Amino acid sequence: GIQVEQSPPDLILQEGANSTLRCNFSDSVNNLQWFHQNPWGQLINLFYIPSGTKQNGRLSATTVATERYSLLYISSSQTTDSGVYFCAVSRRGGSQGNLIFGKGTKLSVKP
Amino acid sequence: DSGVTQTPKHLITATGQRVTLRCSPRSGDLSVYWYQQSLDQGLQFLIQYYNGEERAKGNILERFSAQQFPDLHSELNLSSLELGDSALYFCASSVQGDTQYFGPGTRLTVL
Repeated sequence: GIQVEQSPPDLILQEGANSTLRCNFSDSVNNLQWFHQNPWGQLINLFYIPSGTKQNGRLSATTVATERYSLLYISSSQTTDSGVYFCAVSRRGGSQGNLIFGKGTKLSVKP
Repeated sequence: DSGVTQTPKHLITATGQRVTLRCSPRSGDLSVYWYQQSLDQGLQFLIQYYNGEERAKGNILERFSAQQFPDLHSELNLSSLELGDSALYFCASSVQGDTQYFGPGTRLTVL
């Protein structure tokens, strides 16, 4: 099946710093989403981005489908950005709903 | 608030028992998905329903079953529970196979 690898596994930032999280996937996809899981366990949808670039406030994401990777940018990080960031994909030709998740990047933002 | 509701929030039960988790999708969403998050397996897709019909199956055990009712709410039934079934169970919904919105989850503890 499709493999999803996220890097780095852990990231510690000072408040105000910028960061880039990466997601590599092993096959063509028809769905790619970025999620933030907060310390209370809630999974919050950040972007639906199977290709192209999107921005939402301090967050932006880019997916280069032909090269099988996606990047999530966090600028001017805040302590509330702490948590685990997941990339999830579904394989082109398969069920678009069957999301395969990476292991996540655990982000800690220090005040 | 994603608009997806799940009940109960927490469930504590004993090995061998059976439980039912309930999910109400966002208004207008026809697809419902179930995922399991455990420490050792990460986030795994279990099953998808679309407008009452099973659409895709993932790593769902034979002891687990699900259904989607005419009002589009869904239930996940877990039987003959084992210690290893302790996990966070998420329901998600989408219009079709695009952006999935996750509910707050049900934390199941099997003692």
